[in-house]
Amino acid sequence: GESVGLHLPTLSVQEGDNSIINCAYSNSASDYFIWYKQESGKGPQFIIDIRSNMDKRQGQRVTVLLNKTVKHLSLQIAATQPGDSAVYFCAERMDSSYKLIFGSGTRLLVRP
Amino acid sequence: GAVVSQHPSRVICKSGTSVKIECRSLDFQATTMFWYRQFPKQSLMLMATSNEGSKATYEQGVEKDKFLINHASLTLSTLTVTSAHPEDSSFYICSARGGNQPQHFGDGTRLSIL
Repeated sequence: GESVGLHLPTLSVQEGDNSIINCAYSNSASDYFIWYKQESGKGPQFIIDIRSNMDKRQGQRVTVLLNKTVKHLSLQIAATQPGDSAVYFCAERMDSSYKLIFGSGTRLLVRP
Repeated sequence: GAVVSQHPSRVICKSGTSVKIECRSLDFQATTMFWYRQFPKQSLMLMATSNEGSKATYEQGVEKDKFLINHASLTLSTLTVTSAHPEDSSFYICSARGGNQPQHFGDGTRLSIL
């Protein structure tokens, strides 16, 4: 049968508040990072990306911060909405093959 | 709209059946396609990387004779789970990239082997 699933860490926020989702990546040589949103029964959806020569990038309602010193990535969502409820994954690209290695994920629950 | 289409979305079949899953890039040429497997409440695990016109590269621990990958054109890759058994039940997801496109993912195939 299938492996026993791990419990995803969960972040619960009030609608309208800001959310911060964190991720620790593994390889200091990774040069490109992406945040994905995955809704139940669907594939990951691209949210925002950042290259290793940057430490911050902003999109619509989302901001990604990269701290290479401690190999940490964060996703900030402003004015969180019920439609933001999903599982969020960070992914790092480790080499020129374009392979992505995914983090373990965080479930975001937005309380109305 | 979706840029990567995956089909079928759900398969239920008997043990011993071989199952083919298709992954198509809809409006770009996908020089590279990837196949992932995801168990409940877990992350995506890369199974293999597929470059158009060449043999797929499998990740450690993934049986290439079990999971046959074909990437015959710039818009289509297929994954065939041969002689599937209950332990192969999972959510299989493909992604595609090409040119300046980041990796786009399909909506996955839920495979259930009875």
